[in-house]
Amino acid sequence: NAGVTQTPKFQVLKTGQSMTLQCAQDMNHNSMYWYRQDPGMGLRLIYYSASEGTTDKGEVPNGYNVSRLNKREFSLRLESAAPSQTSVYFCASSEAIGGRAYEQYFGPGTRLTVT
Amino acid sequence: GQSLEQPSEVTAVEGAIVQINCTYQTSGFYGLSWYQQHDGGAPTFLSYNALDGLEETGRFSSFLSRSDSYGYLLLQELQMKDSASYFCAVRDHGNYGQNFVFGPGTRLSVLP
Repeated sequence: NAGVTQTPKFQVLKTGQSMTLQCAQDMNHNSMYWYRQDPGMGLRLIYYSASEGTTDKGEVPNGYNVSRLNKREFSLRLESAAPSQTSVYFCASSEAIGGRAYEQYFGPGTRLTVT
Repeated sequence: GQSLEQPSEVTAVEGAIVQINCTYQTSGFYGLSWYQQHDGGAPTFLSYNALDGLEETGRFSSFLSRSDSYGYLLLQELQMKDSASYFCAVRDHGNYGQNFVFGPGTRLSVLP
C-alpha cells in the first residue's frame, strides 16, 4: 500500500496564480483532511471531509477550496495565491471522523512558495 | 477558543528518559493524540488517550488527566533517531464543527 500520496512535492507560484494540490489514499478511509504547517508551528486544519460527498471548513479556510472527488481523492485548490499561503501542505486520512479519527495518516507534504 | 501548550525545546542524552508535557483548553474534548515528525518529514501517529491514565507502547508512554486538562508523552531509553518534533493534538467540537487542533510542537534533541 502506498498510504497517502500527494502531488506535487514542490511548487513555486507567483502571486495571483492558481493551482490544485492533489491527494489520494488507498487505505479505504472515510475521512480526509488538509493541513498547513508554517515554520516552527503546529498543523492548522484548512478543510476536512468526513465522508465522500461532504466537506467542511477548518480553522483557516480563507483562500482555499476543496473537492472530495471520490472516496480516495481529496484536492485543495488555491484560486489566487498570496505570499501568506507559502507553507507546507499536508493531506491526511483516517478511518472515520467519529471513530479512530485520532489516528491520522499523513502524506509526504507539498512545499509551496508564493512569490 | 481552543489552544494547546507545549515546551518549545527539550534536550536529553542517549539512554535517558524524557517527558514532554501538553496542556490544553478546548470547548469539547474527545481525547489527546501524539505525533512525531522528523525534519522534512510527515507527522506519524504515536499514541492516543481518551481516558485518564497511562498508555504504553514500547518505549513510548502517554498519560492523560482530563480533570487537569493535561497530558504528557514519556520517551524511555532515548535513541538518536528519537530526535524529532513531537506534537500533541485534540479533537473537539469548536467553531468549525469537528475541529482538530495541534499544539505548536516540542523539538527533542538527543545528544550522544
